[in-house]
Amino acid sequence: NAGVTQTPKFRILKIGQSMTLQCAQDMNHNYMYWYRQDPGMGLKLIYYSVGAGITDKGEVPNGYNVSRSTTEDFPLRLELAAPSQTSVYFCASSYSGVTDTQYFGPGTRLTVL
Amino acid sequence: GQSLEQPSEVTAVEGAIVQINCTYQTSGFYGLSWYQQHDGGAPTFLSYNALDGLEETGRFSSFLSRSDSYGYLLLQELQMKDSASYFCAVRPLYGQNFVFGPGTRLSVLP
Repeated sequence: NAGVTQTPKFRILKIGQSMTLQCAQDMNHNYMYWYRQDPGMGLKLIYYSVGAGITDKGEVPNGYNVSRSTTEDFPLRLELAAPSQTSVYFCASSYSGVTDTQYFGPGTRLTVL
Repeated sequence: GQSLEQPSEVTAVEGAIVQINCTYQTSGFYGLSWYQQHDGGAPTFLSYNALDGLEETGRFSSFLSRSDSYGYLLLQELQMKDSASYFCAVRPLYGQNFVFGPGTRLSVLP
């Protein structure tokens, strides 16, 4: 079991560029989440999905898009990168059982210059 | 809406006991979770309280009181490796999203 994997680990973008952050899980979890974490701050939810084909906005969705075509994959798309999107991005998944435990990927550190 | 509050920093010495509080304002939630995050790492799950009372997992315990809108994480026999940030989180009754607190940075001194 690889758990939750994310690629790339690091990325530098220029303002206006686009990119996709990849996230995959092999635990057959229905629920998947994207968070961003700014330095010294907590986690803010960008988007989440309760199953394939279903996505919903979180607290800070502007500037991002997601899709969920399979149970395993939940990519996050940045269309026009801005310096305000410099952050660490974490993908997570959960079974949504009794404990609602979320399993996090290792994160992608993104810098927009 | 939901909001959670935590102290920003706590310092303690090795072998001591420390309590990290989490107070919240929320319209209703399933349970209170705690996560640990070391510098440069990903959050990892520590504990979950669905019901009021104390849950114990080794050196870590977590407590919830819905009537007081309050919970805490108790760390016993502190070790240097416990130096990390600790986040409380809730899943609201409506919606499948999670709301995280701002985090408490714990520094364990020798």
